[in-house]
Amino acid sequence: QVQLVQSGSELKKPGASVKVSCKASGYTFTTKPINWVRQAPGQGLEWMGSINTNTENPSYAQGFTGRFVFSLDTSVSTAYLEIINLEAEDTAVYYCARETRWDLQDRFDSWGQGTLVTVSS
Amino acid sequence: IQLTQSPSSLSASVGDRVTITCRASQGISNYLAWYQQKPGEAPNLLIYGASTLQSGVPSRFSGSGFGTDFTLTINSLQPEDFATYYCQQFNNYPRTFGQGTKVEIK
Repeated sequence: QVQLVQSGSELKKPGASVKVSCKASGYTFTTKPINWVRQAPGQGLEWMGSINTNTENPSYAQGFTGRFVFSLDTSVSTAYLEIINLEAEDTAVYYCARETRWDLQDRFDSWGQGTLVTVSS
Repeated sequence: IQLTQSPSSLSASVGDRVTITCRASQGISNYLAWYQQKPGEAPNLLIYGASTLQSGVPSRFSGSGFGTDFTLTINSLQPEDFATYYCQQFNNYPRTFGQGTKVEIK
């Protein structure tokens, strides 16, 4: 079955970097985009952007340019989210989600379990 | 495109019929999905294309709407349905979410 398995929780100091992984299984990785979604503590879902797993072209939402980097290693069916120069406001759970398009309809039909990134001095 | 859900929270009893509304700031055809999220868990897709039930989702969940106004209905609320529900639009980028509706036990 389709699965997205993310790396474990991270505790980082301000100014450090973190790289979250999202390993896909159960389907052909390069056929569906991977999206990243942030959820700050007690808050709603915020779409960060996506990466085309065929072309490796990323697309970032406003507010997630510069310090946020999406990348892939297609040889191991894994997507990565790197956050550079971490700030306290980056403390959140980060989810990867597979986007499926069928009959002109898109949706996020499979999600990773989430990775908690805590930024604290 | 902004999505506004109402209400932000509601209290209901097991067996109740619950309706959640999602209003888009401009027309999005039927490019809307609904998700359920329980505490400590990832969101789970319920409905896409405004009204198509995702495989494996109980039939008590249904969606409707087109353009700017959409509705998620839960018929005969079950104990496992107490959660937060989000709408998301796929008409254009960014793929915005509504702010969420928390369904609590009365």
